[in-house]
Amino acid sequence: QLVLTQSPSASASLGASVKLTCTLSSGHSSYAIAWHQQQPEKVPRYLMKVNSDGSHTKGDGIPDRFSGSSSGSERYLTISSLQSEDEADYYCQSWGAGIRGVVFGGGTKVTVL
Amino acid sequence: EVQLLESGGGLVQPGGSLRLSCAASGLTFSNYAMSWVRQAPGKGLKWVASISGSGGDTFYADSVKGRFTISRDNSENTLYVQMNSLRAEDTAIYYCAKALGVTIFGLSGAFDIWGQGTMVTVSS
Repeated sequence: QLVLTQSPSASASLGASVKLTCTLSSGHSSYAIAWHQQQPEKVPRYLMKVNSDGSHTKGDGIPDRFSGSSSGSERYLTISSLQSEDEADYYCQSWGAGIRGVVFGGGTKVTVL
Repeated sequence: EVQLLESGGGLVQPGGSLRLSCAASGLTFSNYAMSWVRQAPGKGLKWVASISGSGGDTFYADSVKGRFTISRDNSENTLYVQMNSLRAEDTAIYYCAKALGVTIFGLSGAFDIWGQGTMVTVSS
C-alpha cells in the first residue's frame, strides 16, 4: 500500500527559498507524483508532475520559481524567491495500477515570514 | 480553456442519497480520465473515485466502495457520482478533477484541472 508522507509545516522568509519533501513508502520509489497548491479558501491548483528520474512537467502558467526534483523515494518541490501569495497548503499526489487508485499526502502548510 | 463545474451538493440526512454532477468544457472529454476528490472541513485532500476516459474502468477508495458509483456521459461531457448510504463522515467539499491522460495509470494519472467544488453536508 502506497503512503505519501509530508511534513505538516514549513516556513521561510519573504524572498528566500523553501524545499518541500514528499516521501513514498517502501517499494514505491519508482512512482511519479504531482504537486498541488491550495491557497486559503481556494481550489487546489496543479503545479507539476515529478518523475522518479527527477524530470518534471509544470502546469500552464506556473512560475519558474517553482521546480521539482527527485532522489530515491523522495520527491521535492522547491519554491524560490518566496512571495506572500505562496503561503498555502501543498499536497503531493500519486497513482498507479499497483495501488489501483490514487493517494494524497497529508499536505504541508507553508508560512511566509 | 478547460473548465469543470460541479453541482448537486447540499444537505442530506444520514442514510440518504445524493448525485453530484461535473460539467466539463473546453476539452475532448472522452480523452481523459476523471476523478472525484473530497476535502472535509479543515482537513486534507482525499481521493474518492476515478473513471477512465471510456468509462470502462472505475476505481474507488475503500471508504466509499459499495456506496458510491462514479459514471460519465461522454456525449454530454459530464461526470457523475451517485452517493448512497451517506454518513456524517462523508461531509466535505467534493471536487471533480481531470487527469493528464485517458487512464489514471502510467504517467498520465496526475490531476491537472480542478473544479470549484460543491459542498455536501450529511446531518440530521
